[in-house]
Amino acid sequence: DTGVSQNPRHKITKRGQNVTFRCDPISEHNRLYWYRQTLGQGPEFLTYFQNEAQLEKSRLLSDRFSAERPKGSFSTLEIQRTEQGDSAMYLCASSLGGGVGNEQFFGPGTRLTVL
Amino acid sequence: LAKTTQPISMDSYEGQEVNITCSHNNIATNDYITWYQQFPSQGPRFIIQGYKTKVTNEVASLFIPADRKSSTLSLPRVSLSDTAVYYCLPLPGGYNKLIFGAGTRLAVHP
Repeated sequence: DTGVSQNPRHKITKRGQNVTFRCDPISEHNRLYWYRQTLGQGPEFLTYFQNEAQLEKSRLLSDRFSAERPKGSFSTLEIQRTEQGDSAMYLCASSLGGGVGNEQFFGPGTRLTVL
Repeated sequence: LAKTTQPISMDSYEGQEVNITCSHNNIATNDYITWYQQFPSQGPRFIIQGYKTKVTNEVASLFIPADRKSSTLSLPRVSLSDTAVYYCLPLPGGYNKLIFGAGTRLAVHP
């Protein structure tokens, strides 16, 4: 299967702990996106990369959040000092480029529960 | 960015045609109308995209009137597996991020 993969699929942690999620995009895709989705809401944009460059970050991405894509392939999203409000589904997507004709393909997500 | 209004939920039965209308009164001249589908516990999936008139693919049809202030996603002969949330997104031609609303929760019953 050559779709977007995310690991782990589920993560339960205690408040104050750090967590890291991994996303492996479709191999030829230059763009990689992170979104967050809470129950009953649509996904919210967090950040995106063009190759290894992080080109945009949402105001939702507080100082406790950091995302990297060091070699322009896989990406990691780290949350430091987790809070209960961080509990959500974290979705990764990738695309060949931006704009019309370059649809974003989503992974299955990582569900984070902060106790 | 254009604000959208969609029904919160809809119910249908297997074999029926379902039409989901999205209102986007302040759509910009260079916005394209895009629809995504999301099954429970999965990421969203692109369904269809159009600028005006009618677009059809193997999954759905998209109808956009001349004033482009609304659009209608049409799903022919739905099955139980079409139970999902459907999102309408007006996006500028050179868009980067996707801006989702709350979507329409479609339930298909036997």
